[in-house]
Amino acid sequence: EVQLVESGGGLVQLGGSLRLSCAASGFTFRSYGMSWVRQAPGKGLEWVSYITSSGNTIYYADSVKGRLTISRDNAKNSLYLQMNSLRAEDTALYYCARDYGDLHPYYFDYWGQGILVTVSS
Amino acid sequence: SYVLTQPPSVSVAPGQTARVTCGGSNIGDKSVHWYQQKPGQAPVLVVYDDSDRPSGIPERFSGSNSGNTATLTISRVEAGDEAAYYCQVRYSNSVVFGGGTQLTVL
Repeated sequence: EVQLVESGGGLVQLGGSLRLSCAASGFTFRSYGMSWVRQAPGKGLEWVSYITSSGNTIYYADSVKGRLTISRDNAKNSLYLQMNSLRAEDTALYYCARDYGDLHPYYFDYWGQGILVTVSS
Repeated sequence: SYVLTQPPSVSVAPGQTARVTCGGSNIGDKSVHWYQQKPGQAPVLVVYDDSDRPSGIPERFSGSNSGNTATLTISRVEAGDEAAYYCQVRYSNSVVFGGGTQLTVL
């Protein structure tokens, strides 16, 4: 059974930093691209970032470019999102998602349950 | 950038057919994917590549895509289908979601 479990969320001050983790199991992690998708309270879905299976290619949404950094450790079956210079508009539930695409983001066939990040002034 | 437009809400009686649309410029040239999200839960993929269904998704869920509109069709709607539905496409090296449609089962 595919499982994606996010951790590391919480309350952080404006301009602060946070590191999210996603532990993957039930599939060959090193064979899949992965994405982070977020959802602000009461709002729709917003794609954040994508990383290829090897970690060699990365893409970001314009809204987070230069502040959020995606990475992965295939030996640990883990995906990460380093979040710096956080803004109020980064407040959201962050989902880790397995991506069907492995050259670029495509669609998301499995999702974690999400982890809440709240940026407060 | 690329914009996907969905109606905010759709209502349907049980047993009837619900159609959720997703508008975008020449969207028929792209592959469209659909997600169902129930309150407090993560999204679930219900249709990919315009009209394919992942394993475990009922045949009542189907999709089509042509011209400037993609459509998710839910036949014989059940109370358990009440949820938000999002369309999604790949655009360049990013992903675009529609704003979501809340399906209400009357």
